[in-house]
Amino acid sequence: AQSVTQLGSHVSVSEGALVLLRCNYSSSVPPYLFWYVQYPNQGLQLLLKYTSAATLVKGINGFEAEFKKSETSFHLTKPSAHMSDAAEYFCAVSKGRHDMRFGAGTRLTVKP
Amino acid sequence: DAGVTQSPTHLIKTRGQQVTLRCSPKSGHDTVSWYQQALGQGPQFIFQYYEEEERQRGNFPDRFSGHQFPNYSSELNVNALLLGDSALYLCASSVGTGGAYSNQPQHFGDGTRLSIL
Repeated sequence: AQSVTQLGSHVSVSEGALVLLRCNYSSSVPPYLFWYVQYPNQGLQLLLKYTSAATLVKGINGFEAEFKKSETSFHLTKPSAHMSDAAEYFCAVSKGRHDMRFGAGTRLTVKP
Repeated sequence: DAGVTQSPTHLIKTRGQQVTLRCSPKSGHDTVSWYQQALGQGPQFIFQYYEEEERQRGNFPDRFSGHQFPNYSSELNVNALLLGDSALYLCASSVGTGGAYSNQPQHFGDGTRLSIL
């Protein structure tokens, strides 16, 4: 069965610094991978998705993620953090049947 | 274009009661999935409805049941509520299920916060 592991339940960066949120997946078949963001008291918003078309995926709000099969990773990055990026981020994997499996989440704090 | 809408936004029940949560999918979407998100955790897949049938189910007991209507809206029912059922319940909609639609992302509503006393 597919699953994802998010390394670090809480990441804190300074405004303007690099954001790196880690996600490793396990899947017996090539997966579809997603990153979602959740702001307080809201649902999940899709940041980006990997569907095998390209290993480097660009998403909204300046985020991107790189699929590395050899490392079974799909880490999320952003060159320069903004205060508005503070939220909970979830990595998710699907084998294409919509039963997405989510990681436990990483809370991003941005310090002024 | 309305996104996924869920009602109610908040709900308080007591142990042993029953609850019904409602979801209207995004326009053009025909598949609805339900998730339970406990405090501090990621969403856990409950089940998915397509063409008015339950197509897939996660590791949840039979106390959790659902329904999909011809207009693609959906209900989640939970019977014999337990304290552990307190969570944010998220509805997500998408197009189709598997096949050519298998890489389509799900769109989430803002959820229903269920508290069990």
